Amino acid sequence: DVKVTQSSRYLVKRTGEKVFLECVQDMDHENMFWYRQDPGLGLRLIYFSYDVKMKEKGDIPEGYSVSREKKERFSLILESASTNQTSMYLCASRDEPGELFFGEGSRLTVL
Amino acid sequence: DAKTTQPTSMDCAEGRAANLPCNHSTISGNEYVYWYRQIHSQGPQYIIHGLKNNETNEMASLIITEDRKSSTLILPHATLRDTAVYYCIAPNTNAGKSTFGDGTTLTVKP
Repeated sequence: DVKVTQSSRYLVKRTGEKVFLECVQDMDHENMFWYRQDPGLGLRLIYFSYDVKMKEKGDIPEGYSVSREKKERFSLILESASTNQTSMYLCASRDEPGELFFGEGSRLTVL
Repeated sequence: DAKTTQPTSMDCAEGRAANLPCNHSTISGNEYVYWYRQIHSQGPQYIIHGLKNNETNEMASLIITEDRKSSTLILPHATLRDTAVYYCIAPNTNAGKSTFGDGTTLTVKP
């Protein structure tokens, strides 16, 4: 079975902390994505990557950065977490072309 | 990515067919239409995709109009477990963003 694994299902952080959300896929996919999902707002794309060390901004990149040092791993970084970044974060990967495979999500609460 | 438009919500009786429409009037010739669904608190799950022809798999059928400006996802015999948010997307094939809209909340009622 294909698998996208997000490192933490639930995190609680304090304002100003640096936060790392890790995502690993075992399908050798070229493309990886980070979304956030808030009630009533659907999935919004933060960043995506189409190759190792390559990244592109999505629709809401402000306050976030990403890292893709290895093909299987795509990390989302909150340099200084703020309360408005409390959200569900979803990672996905896909081949080109192909369907998206999603992880289970990481629910982040920033106090 | 082509912009997609879906109704905000729909109801369906259990055992009846659920027909979920999606408008993608700006779709280009090589962009596929993908459908996903998301059950509360889980990551979205792929259902089906198509380019021009109608498609069917064990989960659903996809009807794409001849001009490709719209499509309909059909769940032939909806069950209570099909209650979910359904998303239609048409990602750009050149390392596209895979942007999601707000989807349709389908409620299957007994």
